[in-house]
Amino acid sequence: QVQLQESGPGLVKPSETLSLTCTVSGDSVNTYYWSWIRQPPGKGLEWIGYFYYSGGTNYNPSLKSRVTISGDTSKNQFSLTLNSLTAADTGVYYCATSGIMGPSTIESWGQGTPVTVSS
Amino acid sequence: QSVLTQPPSASGTPGQRVTISCSGSTSNIGTNAVNWYQQLPGTAPKLLIYRSNQRPSGVPDRFSGSKSGTSASLAISGLQPEDEAVYYCAAWDDTLDGRVMFGGGTKLTVL
Repeated sequence: QVQLQESGPGLVKPSETLSLTCTVSGDSVNTYYWSWIRQPPGKGLEWIGYFYYSGGTNYNPSLKSRVTISGDTSKNQFSLTLNSLTAADTGVYYCATSGIMGPSTIESWGQGTPVTVSS
Repeated sequence: QSVLTQPPSASGTPGQRVTISCSGSTSNIGTNAVNWYQQLPGTAPKLLIYRSNQRPSGVPDRFSGSKSGTSASLAISGLQPEDEAVYYCAAWDDTLDGRVMFGGGTKLTVL
């Protein structure tokens, strides 16, 4: 059973850069899809993007200019970088994984980490 | 603004059958499989239905999914109090480089 754990700062200032890491156990990031999804307070889910094990990435067009997702097979982790933050980026950030059925079939989720963008 | 459209709320009494709809287009539901997620209060979402009508192991058979054309539905029979949650549909959208689309979510209340 794969387990995912997000880590990173809970508070970030506007205009700064958010960096989150997801540590994976029970599976290798050298397989299939590794995604980030976020949820603003009281709102629905928003897909941010994924890192594919062969090195490919795909991002939500609305965030593409500000986001980078990458994997580190030596540490079995993958990470999210989101720059030029505003209050609209506040929310719970989940890391997640999908297998052979494709990136929209998210089989395992981290518990989520809350991020607040505020000065 | 979600490309996949769900009703914001639904309700039912214990034992009843409820359905939640998810409307999309030819670039998403019309072409690709639909997934459903259940999010209990304060927790991460959980995969409930994949490939439009398949249940992961451990999901009760009270939950079922279907798809027709550019719409999909989640049905819950024998409604139980612990089914009170927010339910999201999701599908791959083939527009441009492709992306994962989520519906806006449906809050299910068990009366």
